[in-house]
Amino acid sequence: GENVEQHPSTLSVQEGDSAVIKCTYSDSASNYFPWYKQELGKRPQLIIDIRSNVGEKKDQRIAVTLNKTAKHFSLHITETQPEDSAVYFCAASVQWYGGATNKLIFGTGTLLAVQP
Amino acid sequence: NAGVTQTPKFQVLKTGQSMTLQCAQDMNHNSMYWYRQDPGMGLRLIYYSASEGTTDKGEVPNGYNVSRLNKREFSLRLESAAPSQTSVYFCASNQLTGLGYEQYFGPGTRLTVT
Repeated sequence: GENVEQHPSTLSVQEGDSAVIKCTYSDSASNYFPWYKQELGKRPQLIIDIRSNVGEKKDQRIAVTLNKTAKHFSLHITETQPEDSAVYFCAASVQWYGGATNKLIFGTGTLLAVQP
Repeated sequence: NAGVTQTPKFQVLKTGQSMTLQCAQDMNHNSMYWYRQDPGMGLRLIYYSASEGTTDKGEVPNGYNVSRLNKREFSLRLESAAPSQTSVYFCASNQLTGLGYEQYFGPGTRLTVT
């Protein structure tokens, strides 16, 4: 079945350093790749997404890269701050009803700790 | 605009009891989802409703039933709760468009089954 693998499961960085989280997916038809941030006790919230016709997307300190050939995408956070500490989830879309709509398969999450 | 709302926020059940988790969205979305979140397991899809009147099983449907009551509301029912169903449950919704499929999540329901 469809699968999304996410690494690492935990990541600790010093404030100001960069953080990179990597995901691989199995469904070659996946065309939408969102990243969600979940703070402790809160709901997941979208922070950035990328579609299969784009190789890279940036939004201030965060960026996502996509390699469709390798079925691999990554989240990059630069100049990390303590408020970046959270669990981050990647996801990949999966075709449903022959493409009439899409569901998401989520990775298992990365706990990012930014040390002041 | 409340977005996606869920009730209750917390619930404790005894093994064998039943309950219904409620979810509603006011964004006029067609698709709605129920996930469970367990430590180290990420978000796993329980059931899905592509549009009003349709429901389908996700990755972990056993022990659950759903009802898409109307376009706004999607409920999840546990007929006979088991300790393995202790989890945090999230409802989500989205609207399929040509531009993307961002899912909006509710605040979650923390369920403990003893």
